Amino acid sequence: GAGVSQSPSNKVTEKGKDVELRCDPISGHTALYWYRQSLGQGLEFLIYFQGNSAPDKSGLPSDRFSAERTGGSVSTLTIQRTQQEDSAVYLCASSLMGNTIYFGEGSWLTVV
Amino acid sequence: GQQVMQIPQYQHVQEGEDFTTYCNSSTTLSNIQWYKQRPGGHPVFLIQLVKSGEVKKQKRLTFQFGEAKKNSSLHITATQTTDVGTYFCAGGRNQFYFGTGTSLTVIP
Repeated sequence: GAGVSQSPSNKVTEKGKDVELRCDPISGHTALYWYRQSLGQGLEFLIYFQGNSAPDKSGLPSDRFSAERTGGSVSTLTIQRTQQEDSAVYLCASSLMGNTIYFGEGSWLTVV
Repeated sequence: GQQVMQIPQYQHVQEGEDFTTYCNSSTTLSNIQWYKQRPGGHPVFLIQLVKSGEVKKQKRLTFQFGEAKKNSSLHITATQTTDVGTYFCAGGRNQFYFGTGTSLTVIP
């Protein structure tokens, strides 16, 4: 596709349920980031994938959060046993290493 | 990971006034990028600086990269309401680390 695609665009889930957020990066981009952004706040780094290297998971806030990137392309961010404080926009971004970072529109997660 | 801080966190200006946001890193950066996020939108790339002491201009926007490559600034001359949003710097080489952002409000 022309840009970074994320799905779902909006998700409302009950506290305690698991959610999966999907990211389709720009074709050929080797680097993929996940960020979390609460309303009016900055970008909270979650995880970084680069090619076949081990991902940088240093930003994942707890063991309820995990992410995979299959075949160096599509990535899934999974949040288990969701809590209300997980409500935020989850932004995915991709780039060629060291170049412009392109963001998706985000997945807006609301935990009720 | 690297720490990239920005000041101020928030800035309110009257339309027509100038605006500057500063980005500081705890370590030397290979490159610095700047992004703008409009309210309700996602960050969009503005520019990348690579060389020590580099200055680049985009219309009313002036970007600087410090001599030591540990700080950068974005200056907007004569702000307009279209400048409203949050400005982020991002430093790194391969993996980029985003700053905390400066939220700009322009009062008409």
